Amino acid sequence: EVQLVESGGGFGQPGGSLRLSCAASGFPFISYDMHWVRQAAGKGLEWVSSLDASGKTSYRGSVKGRFTISRENAKNSLYLQMDSLRVEDTAVYYCARGYIDSAFDSWGQGTQVTVSS
Amino acid sequence: SYVLTQPPSVSVAPGMTARITCGGNNIGRKGVNWYQQKPDQAPILVIYYDIDRPSGIPDRFSGASSGNTATLTITRVEAGDEADYYCQVLDNRSDPPYVFGPGTKVTVL
Repeated sequence: EVQLVESGGGFGQPGGSLRLSCAASGFPFISYDMHWVRQAAGKGLEWVSSLDASGKTSYRGSVKGRFTISRENAKNSLYLQMDSLRVEDTAVYYCARGYIDSAFDSWGQGTQVTVSS
Repeated sequence: SYVLTQPPSVSVAPGMTARITCGGNNIGRKGVNWYQQKPDQAPILVIYYDIDRPSGIPDRFSGASSGNTATLTITRVEAGDEADYYCQVLDNRSDPPYVFGPGTKVTVL
């Protein structure tokens, strides 16, 4: 069974940092593209960043230069280093597995990130 | 950036058919994915690549896409289908490349 478990969320101050982790199990993690998707309270889904199986990264414009996605295949883990946090980064952050080029076929339960002074 | 549009809400009686549209420029040329999200739960993929269903998704869920509109159809609607539904595409020429629609709230009357 595919499982994705996020951790590391919590409270951060504007300008501060948080590091999210996603522990994967039940599939060959090394072979899959992985993503972070966020959702602010009462709002829709918003793609944040991707790291494909070959190591290519991509980010949405509003987090480029502030967030860094990485993975540790030996530990079946995905990470999101979030620096220079902004209030508008407040959201539930989901880890998701990529599927057939463009879809997200498995999701974690999400971890809440709240940025406030 | 590529923009997707969805109606904010759709209401349907149990046993009837719900149709949720997703509009986008030449969306028929892209692969459209659909997600179901219930309150306080993570999204679930219900349709990928326009028409395909992941294992475990009932055949009451189907998809279609042509021109500027994609459609998710739910037949024989059940109370458990009440949820938010999001369409999503990948457009490598867009920033961001992965784009979600704003979501449609399906209410079962």
